[in-house]
Amino acid sequence: EVQLLESGGGLVQPGGSLRLSCVVSGITFSSYAVDWVRQAPGKGLEWLSGIGGSGTGIYYADSVKGRFTISRDNSKNTLYLQMNSLRVEDTAVYYCAILVGVTDTSDFWGQGTLVTVSP
Amino acid sequence: DIQMTQSPSTLSASVGDRVTISCRASQSITSWLAWYQQKPGKAPTLLIYKASNLQSGVPSRFSGSGSGTEFTLTISSLQPDDFATYYCQQYNGYSRRTFGQGTKLEIK
Repeated sequence: EVQLLESGGGLVQPGGSLRLSCVVSGITFSSYAVDWVRQAPGKGLEWLSGIGGSGTGIYYADSVKGRFTISRDNSKNTLYLQMNSLRVEDTAVYYCAILVGVTDTSDFWGQGTLVTVSP
Repeated sequence: DIQMTQSPSTLSASVGDRVTISCRASQSITSWLAWYQQKPGKAPTLLIYKASNLQSGVPSRFSGSGSGTEFTLTISSLQPDDFATYYCQQYNGYSRRTFGQGTKLEIK
């Protein structure tokens, strides 16, 4: 069974930083691109960033480019999202996900971790 | 960036109804479109990939169609479990992805 388990969410003040982690099991982690998606309270899904299986091919949404950094450690089957200069509008549930792609129909999501940015 | 526009934002329907949700891309994405279902407090689940391919385990009452910039998700006969929010997502090559803003399917 494929599992994605996020951690690292919590309450942080505006301007602060937080690092999210996502441990993946049940698959050959290094073979898959992985993405971060968030959902603000009562709002829709927003794709944030993705990284290729080898750690190359990194992409960001404009809303987080320059503030967030995606990375992965294939030896630990772990995906990361370093979030700096956090804003109130970054408050959301953050999901890691292996999303369906051009070459693979696999699609798996974690349960999400809540990040709250508040004074 | 490719923008995805869904319509309607909210849809009221009854059990047994046939419903259609539309998704329009700001530029051609050939057939690289997925449809997801999300229920409150849960992660989304994949229904359709590559515009018209049913994900394993998804009931056959769900279907997708379209190519280029215009896509539709159809539920042939609504069941009580289908009342949820639906999102389209483009994945035109492996680069930036985009979700539509969502369509909330409500019980009439």
